Amino acid sequence: GQSLEQPSEVTAVEGAIVQINCTYQTSGFYGLSWYQQHDGGAPTFLSYNGLDGLEETGRFSSFLSRSDSYGYLLLQELQMKDSASYFCAVRDEYSTLTFGKGTMLLVSP
Amino acid sequence: DAGVTQSPTHLIKTRGQQVTLRCSPKSGHDTVSWYQQALGQGPQFIFQYYEEEERQRGNFPDRFSGHQFPNYSSELNVNALLLGDSALYLCASSPDSAYNEQFFGPGTRLTVL
Repeated sequence: GQSLEQPSEVTAVEGAIVQINCTYQTSGFYGLSWYQQHDGGAPTFLSYNGLDGLEETGRFSSFLSRSDSYGYLLLQELQMKDSASYFCAVRDEYSTLTFGKGTMLLVSP
Repeated sequence: DAGVTQSPTHLIKTRGQQVTLRCSPKSGHDTVSWYQQALGQGPQFIFQYYEEEERQRGNFPDRFSGHQFPNYSSELNVNALLLGDSALYLCASSPDSAYNEQFFGPGTRLTVL
C-alpha cells in the first residue's frame, strides 16, 4: 500500500515564504506531484519531481529526496489567492496518483 | 480549447439507487482517470481507462464500474448507492501515461440521502 503524510494546516501572512512537507511510504514510486485545490474546485497541477533535487516554477518550487522518501513544496511571496488546499501525490508508471490528505494554507493580510 | 468537462455538476440520490457520471477529456487526451474525494480528504483513485479498457483499478468495490467510448469520453457508474458514496467525483485526463500532469475537471458533487 501507499501512504503520504503532510501537515493538515499552515498559516502565513502575505509576502511570506511557506514550506509544506510531505513524507511517503510507497511501492512502485515514479515521482512526486503537487496539486492546488481551491474550495472544492478542480485540483490544478503545480509541480512534479521525478528525480532528486529542486524544481522551480515561478513563485513555487518543489523538492524531492528519494532516499529519504521526502519532498516539499515551497511557496514564495505569498498572495491572498494562494489560500487553498495543497496535495502531494505519488505518481506511478501509469500516471495515476495517490494523494495525501492535503494541507490547508491560510494566507492573511 | 475546452478543458475537462463533467456532468452533471450536482446530483442527489437515495440509498440503493444507481448513478451515472460523465466526463469529456481535454482535446487530444486519450487516458481518463476517475477519483473520489470525500469532504476534507484527498482524491482517491477509482480506476483508469485507456483505449476503451480499464487499465488500472484502485481499492473500490465492484459497485463502481466504468466505460470509455471511442471518442475517449468516459462514464462512471455506481450501483446500490450507500450514504458513504457521497463525495466529489473527479475526472482527470492526460495525453498518455508518460505525461506527468493530470488535468482535472470541476467534478460532480454526489449526495446520497
